[in-house]
Amino acid sequence: EAGVTQFPSHSVIEKGQTVTLRCDPISGHDNLYWYRRVMGKEIKFLLHFVKESKQDESGMPNNRFLAERTGGTYSTLKVQPAELEDSGVYFCASGIAGAYEQYFGPGTRLTVT
Amino acid sequence: AQSVAQPEDQVNVAEGNPLTVKCTYSVSGNPYLFWYVQYPNRGLQFLLKYITGDNLVKGSYGFEAEFNKSQTSFHLKKPSALVSDSALYFCAVRDIGAGGFKTIFGAGTRLFVKA
Repeated sequence: EAGVTQFPSHSVIEKGQTVTLRCDPISGHDNLYWYRRVMGKEIKFLLHFVKESKQDESGMPNNRFLAERTGGTYSTLKVQPAELEDSGVYFCASGIAGAYEQYFGPGTRLTVT
Repeated sequence: AQSVAQPEDQVNVAEGNPLTVKCTYSVSGNPYLFWYVQYPNRGLQFLLKYITGDNLVKGSYGFEAEFNKSQTSFHLKKPSALVSDSALYFCAVRDIGAGGFKTIFGAGTRLFVKA
């Protein structure tokens, strides 16, 4: 069974540009989460999808971040326009409805210069 | 406010010696506690969890963790460390009692096991 995949693995963009990160959860997982880890700090929750619906987006930093999960399968996280403080590793995780475990992808390392 | 603290940025231990990675938490309701490990260029891997029951929880790769409600701690332990245990370890808590599924992570502790 394939795990959670994320694309790209690494992205370097200039301040003001737009970047879109993609997450493909494990097939059949209704729950999908986005997290971010800024260098050396804790992993912070961004938002949670149940199927295509946003269950909790309280962790989204500001309106420059837009997450979608059309059709309840893969999800995208767009940052527009990117700022220097957006640099970090963005993790996606998925889980079965009602279960506590989350299965994490390898992350996308975003560098904004 | 919910929070998780991992007081050590780094833990060094010799192979074959016992290891402990510390974690304390603060939640408003019943804590659901987790440990994850991250190897280089890999995603976080689930190690173990405490939901209810015995305070000593056994997980993957010979790791265990002890839940201590009075001290609000959930330290990760292993009786005999291996060089291959060297990685980044994250403690996490989920406050199911608050009705959400938000997971709060600590800042991580890097474990170095010397041969």
